[in-house]
Amino acid sequence: DAGVTQSPTHLIKTRGQQVTLRCSPKSGHDTVSWYQQALGQGPQFIFQYYEEEERQRGNFPDRFSGHQFPNYSSELNVNALLLGDSALYLCASSLRLRSGTDTQYFGPGTRLTVL
Amino acid sequence: QKEVEQNSGPLSVPEGAIASLNCTYSDRGSQSFFWYRQYSGKSPELIMFIYSNGDKEDGRFTAQLNKASQYVSLLIRDSQPSDSATYLCAVNERNSGYSTLTFGKGTMLLVSP
Repeated sequence: DAGVTQSPTHLIKTRGQQVTLRCSPKSGHDTVSWYQQALGQGPQFIFQYYEEEERQRGNFPDRFSGHQFPNYSSELNVNALLLGDSALYLCASSLRLRSGTDTQYFGPGTRLTVL
Repeated sequence: QKEVEQNSGPLSVPEGAIASLNCTYSDRGSQSFFWYRQYSGKSPELIMFIYSNGDKEDGRFTAQLNKASQYVSLLIRDSQPSDSATYLCAVNERNSGYSTLTFGKGTMLLVSP
């Protein structure tokens, strides 16, 4: 059973550049959430995609955008990179339940370094 | 602003001891609570979740929830050096039918041989 996968593993960019991170959810899952984890901090919610639409968004600027494809995979795009965008970017997938609690499983993450 | 608070640690325990990790949350309406383990340089790994008051056991792990006190804890029995990691407490928020997680900063656990 394939778990959540993310690519690339590591990425180095310079300020002002743009980056695209990719995520494939766990088999059977239909919802993808993205989190940013700075060093020494807990993950912070960026946004969540379900049925190819952004459903929830955290306190992140419009420079952060995303997309979900018909096969449930997802991309996170960050424009005009800042030094403060350096972090571990985590993708989590879940199966949306009409009631109750969705359980989120994390991928291995993408380590982004902005120079 | 919903908040989840954890002691950053490190919490140091000897091998074989019980490790007790604590978490408080601000939103009284929160319903579900998760514990994740994160090894250095790796991604969070789900340990267990709890949504009813009381205890829930899974192997060496026991989650405890007290909604009146807005408090959730994780007990690790017979701690092993391989349990040394950061433990993240997360609170599930459900808005318009969609669930998201709010995390604490995590507690670092060190288990010495």
